Amino acid sequence: SYVLTQPPSVSVAPGKTAKISCGGDTIGGKAVQWYQQKPGQAPALVISFDSDRPSGIPERFSGSNSGNTATLTISRVEVGDEADYYCQVWDTVKDHVVFGGGTKLTVL
Amino acid sequence: QVHLQESGPGLVKPSETLSLTCNVSGYSITSGYYWGWIRQPPGKGLEWIGSIHHSGTTYHNPSLKSRLTGSVDTSKNQFSLKMTFVTAADTAVYFCARSMAAVSAFDYWGQGALVTVSS
Repeated sequence: SYVLTQPPSVSVAPGKTAKISCGGDTIGGKAVQWYQQKPGQAPALVISFDSDRPSGIPERFSGSNSGNTATLTISRVEVGDEADYYCQVWDTVKDHVVFGGGTKLTVL
Repeated sequence: QVHLQESGPGLVKPSETLSLTCNVSGYSITSGYYWGWIRQPPGKGLEWIGSIHHSGTTYHNPSLKSRLTGSVDTSKNQFSLKMTFVTAADTAVYFCARSMAAVSAFDYWGQGALVTVSS
């Protein structure tokens, strides 16, 4: 089945830019969603369809998708951005949702 | 404002059936969208269980499909999930969520319900 690969952890200093990758076979041909999950909370959608930001999501959050890698970019990182981030796609072969393993973003 | 709220037993014995319900408020289930279940074992990542449309169209995680039954109760504006023959590996926080289409993002989520499988 389709596999999405994320780095387990990413660390960044406040004010810097964080990039979280999501690898998958020709993922550039799929729509990628990104979720933020803080401890004890439900996931929250931060990017849909590769690069669309839902209402209320800061412009600091952006997404891109090409080839075999999708990327979530968080600019001017804040302490409050510290969370787990998950990518998600729809597997058109088996008609099912696939989540990446998640990346823990640590703000140093 | 769309609000989803899961309800479930909290504790289920091994080999028994887990039943969960998601009550939806602020949006009519029959107005469209797909309604999904996602779970998260303690300390682990997200796993999609399945999604259902009020018309009856359903999609299930292939690894769980044989144990799953989904349903929609339009009169109560809620949808449900039954999972048979549970084991300790099914211990998780279970979330319900909404997506515009089966292929789309989950834009609204419930707070989650912890289900523990133990004798």
